[in-house]
Amino acid sequence: DTAVSQTPKYLVTQMGNDKSIKCEQNLGHDTMYWYKQDSKKFLKIMFSYNNKELIINETVPNRFSPKSPDKAHLNLHINSLELGDSAVYFCASSQVLQGTYEQYFGPGTRLTVT
Amino acid sequence: ILNVEQSPQSLHVQEGDSTNFTCSFPSSNFYALHWYRWETAKSPEALFVMTLNGDEKKKGRISATLNTKEGYSYLYIKGSQPEDSATYLCAFTSGSARQLTFGSGTQLTVLP
Repeated sequence: DTAVSQTPKYLVTQMGNDKSIKCEQNLGHDTMYWYKQDSKKFLKIMFSYNNKELIINETVPNRFSPKSPDKAHLNLHINSLELGDSAVYFCASSQVLQGTYEQYFGPGTRLTVT
Repeated sequence: ILNVEQSPQSLHVQEGDSTNFTCSFPSSNFYALHWYRWETAKSPEALFVMTLNGDEKKKGRISATLNTKEGYSYLYIKGSQPEDSATYLCAFTSGSARQLTFGSGTQLTVLP
């Protein structure tokens, strides 16, 4: 019944590793997003993905890449992890076409890079 | 860059008190204004989406108003309860963007 799910919930890994976080939504929404909660607890948009159109926040390092196999999934792949990547990452979805952009958030993935 | 500002940053009130916080956003090219409730260790949940100037929305003891011409929204909580303790986020969508810009939130603590 979960509307937006993310896996894993917790991820502990070492610097330099490559890791992925998966996100799935069963709401039939046309747009999915990745947010990073920074150290000040701001929610900052990283990516939005709508019908194969990717909108990137240009402050995001290119080590981060979203991958969308279909419109119900948007995975986040991170190469060469750095200490500063430690944060909580939230996936979200919304209906943009004829919608209000109301975001439905996943439970978050707490990434710790050691 | 779209600036969405919320005040106050944090707030402590006694159980039973009524309270309100402010969200300010760019008044040009408005599309929608959102309020979210974010409890610790959970994910944000939508409270209201408002799209028209003068909109007022209500859900139980919580209500919100919108002024798009001057670029602000108020969130009101009547008779605060400890379970209202959370961070309240507002987010703005412009007519040209397909994403939300979030404010930094107001952290509310309701003391029993």
